[in-house]
Amino acid sequence: RKEVEQDPGPFNVPEGATVAFNCTYSNSASQSFFWYRQDCRKEPKLLMSVYSSGNEDGRFTAQLNRASQYISLLIRDSKLSDSATYLCVVNMTSGTYKYIFGTGTRLKVLA
Amino acid sequence: GAVVSQHPSWVICKSGTSVKIECRSLDFQATTMFWYRQFPKQSLMLMATSNEGSKATYEQGVEKDKFLINHASLTLSTLTVTSAHPEDSSFYICSATKTSGSFYEQYFGPGTRLTVT
Repeated sequence: RKEVEQDPGPFNVPEGATVAFNCTYSNSASQSFFWYRQDCRKEPKLLMSVYSSGNEDGRFTAQLNRASQYISLLIRDSKLSDSATYLCVVNMTSGTYKYIFGTGTRLKVLA
Repeated sequence: GAVVSQHPSWVICKSGTSVKIECRSLDFQATTMFWYRQFPKQSLMLMATSNEGSKATYEQGVEKDKFLINHASLTLSTLTVTSAHPEDSSFYICSATKTSGSFYEQYFGPGTRLTVT
């Protein structure tokens, strides 16, 4: 089983749609969680950290369920510019900053 | 801000030659940097953790003698791909950790696209 699993997609959605991405992780001792966005042939960029209580940043909402070892990202009112690959990232070990990346979920927002 | 640069951004080399890639944190000091590799349509795979002033820690399956890492200062880490072969062609990305108390974030360089012919 992979340490961090995501549905690879692609998710093709119309502009304005709400889309949800899910991610599961295998190590129950994982400490920190993030969503990154990666555009084609570019480096990943931090979209948002994921906090235990859930957090929102504009159209983006992240949730964490430690009991189920599950992370989600919700994008509301999707824009064409949201088209990218969304990477679920987990810091597996306390005391290090080592990140484990999911395979990413591709999103394409259609006009 | 937190800016990480990589040089070169792309390189083409012949099989058997060595290539050095630099990763710099431009406006902060990073005691820890990471090197990743990404093949087309795949996710980033961590290759090694680079710590300033000490030996790098390599992930399982990554040959330390082939991928030489040097973290000479708090703002510079280098990855040298020795005796490169076509299967080493990939997108190599570094990241640098910026800490503020107990809070930290990783910032990624723009990547280096290596093509070995």
